Amino acid sequence: KNEVEQSPQNLTAQEGEFITINCSYSVGISALHWLQQHPGGGIVSLFMLSSGKKKHGRLIATINIQEKHSSLHITASHPRDSAVYICAVRYRDSNYQLIWGAGTKLIIKP
Amino acid sequence: EAEVAQSPRYKITEKSQAVAFWCDPISGHATLYWYRQILGQGPELLVQFQDESVVDDSQLPKDRFSAERLKGVDSTLKIQPAELGDSAMYLCASSSGTNSPLHFGNGTRLTVT
Repeated sequence: KNEVEQSPQNLTAQEGEFITINCSYSVGISALHWLQQHPGGGIVSLFMLSSGKKKHGRLIATINIQEKHSSLHITASHPRDSAVYICAVRYRDSNYQLIWGAGTKLIIKP
Repeated sequence: EAEVAQSPRYKITEKSQAVAFWCDPISGHATLYWYRQILGQGPELLVQFQDESVVDDSQLPKDRFSAERLKGVDSTLKIQPAELGDSAMYLCASSSGTNSPLHFGNGTRLTVT
């Protein structure tokens, strides 16, 4: 069954800490997306990955195809990073539908 | 940077009334999505267009919801009649292809009273 599992569901950390959010998926994918949603806000696409690693500012996304696992890292976290982070996967055998994880609610305390 | 435009930003309507939402994707984006997001939950795909054709509307409640993208550019999502359970954020997204990043609009927050 094509699923996407994220962990942790909730994460609270102090400003400056290194943050890791995990995403696991099954079978073969064509792409994995990391997205961000601030409270009451719209959704912003952070990364789209099919292999390797991408970096944008303090955000780093990695994917391990063999282990069917991706991580989103935030370095030097800041209260403005507080948001829900969502992993979404496009499976090859699901008519390329985007399957969404449940999201990780991140709170960074000053 | 080009954006996905949605209107209205907020809509309050009484149950049994008709309501419509509009989305203008980023120019040149062939793929357009309508999502519904209930507070505290993840987005649920309602319909996906490739140009003017519907490629996935399996989760669209077709007895009351309809969507069109007549010229393969902007799109309208309609609910008639609205029900209390339709209260949610309706998000439009576009991409240049099925394997390209998604760009979301700010959404329309619908409240049905």
